[in-house]
Parts: sequence; C-alpha cells; structure tokens
Amino acid sequence: AQTVTQSQPEMSVQEAETVTLSCTYDTSESDYYLFWYKQPPSRQMILVIRQEAYKQQNATENRFSVNFQKAAKSFSLKISDSQLGDAAMYFCAYPGNAGGTSYGKLTFGQGTILTVHP
Amino acid sequence: DTGVSQDPRHKITKRGQNVTFRCDPISEHNRLYWYRQTLGQGPEFLTYFQNEAQLEKSRLLSDRFSAERPKGSFSTLEIQRTEQGDSAMYLCASSLTSGGASTDTQYFGPGTRLTVL
Repeated sequence: AQTVTQSQPEMSVQEAETVTLSCTYDTSESDYYLFWYKQPPSRQMILVIRQEAYKQQNATENRFSVNFQKAAKSFSLKISDSQLGDAAMYFCAYPGNAGGTSYGKLTFGQGTILTVHP
Repeated sequence: DTGVSQDPRHKITKRGQNVTFRCDPISEHNRLYWYRQTLGQGPEFLTYFQNEAQLEKSRLLSDRFSAERPKGSFSTLEIQRTEQGDSAMYLCASSLTSGGASTDTQYFGPGTRLTVL
C-alpha cells in the first residue's frame, strides 16, 4: 500500500523568507510522479508543482522548487520569497505507478498549514 | 477552458435523505475522480471513471454511494439515506490520460460541502 506522510501539521514563515515543507512516501514502484497541491482557505485545490521520478533534476516553478530524494523517498517543497498569498494548506500527493491499472488515484498526505506573517 | 465545476457548492440535508452532486470536468478530459475531504484532512479517493467506465471504487464507498458518468462527460455522485458521518467536502477532479505513461495531472473543482443534520 502506498502511504504519504507530512510530518509538519503547521509551519510559519515571514514574508519574503524561504520555507521548506516536508513529505515522505512509501512505494515499491520505480516509475511514478509526485505532486504538491495548495488549498487556500475555502478555495479549491490548485496544482503547485509536479516531479517525475525518473528525472534526476528537481522540478522548479517560479518561486516553488522541490528537493526530490528518490532513494530516501523524500519530496520536500521549498517556497522562496514567500508572499501573503502563499498562505494555505499544502498537500503532497502520490498517484501510483505510471501506466499501472490503478494509476492516477491520488493518495494525499495529511497536509501542512502554512502561515505567512507580514 | 472553464475548469472543473461542481454543483451545488453547498448542501444541507437531514439524516436519511438522498442527495446528488454533479461534476462537469474540463471538456477534453477523459478521466474523472471523486474524493472526500473531512475538515483538516487530505482528500480520500472514492472512485474514478475513464470515459463512461467506472474503473475503481474505494472500500470507503459503501453501497449507499453510487456514481455515474453516462456519456463520458459530466458525472453524478448520489448518496442514499445520508448519515451524519457523510458530512464532508466532496471533490471532483479530471485529467487527460492518453494510454501508456502520462502525467495524468488532476485538476480539481471547488467541491460540494455536504452537511447532514
């Protein structure tokens, strides 16, 4: 069974500073994707960034980047130059083995609430 | 591209009543997923469709729950004889899968918040 663990229920950061959110996962697969989603209060889930496991290069999207450690099954999200609009619940998610019959259904971590202080 | 839409956004019902939610995916997306999210938790998978075929159902989906996607476009999720434990946010997501490996990135709707009194 695949599991996704986010060990930080809450994190806080000062505006313009950098914060890192942690995620570990468990899988026996070798080919898969990993996702970070953001869910602002009372608003819908938005994709932040996606990592392909067979790519050694860490994914980057503007101020968001990941530190993907495949052997350690670790997938952390770094937010640089934090903005007030980054305040949200962040979820790490794993969809299973690419191409497998059950591929696609997401297993989510418990989430990390990020507070950004002005 | 208007994104994934869900209707209604909020539903309050009395225990024992039936409710039905609708999801309209992004138009060219062939996969549609339903998730349930309780307060402060991550979403949990319920079921998904590829076109009109329901390919997998979670053990969380009791026989009071049924989902359809009759023409491979919009989907409905019905809960019969609602219980207070059904109170949650019901999320719909869609993605485009073209066989083989794909990113299968899911795009979520705003959700339907169900309150069972």
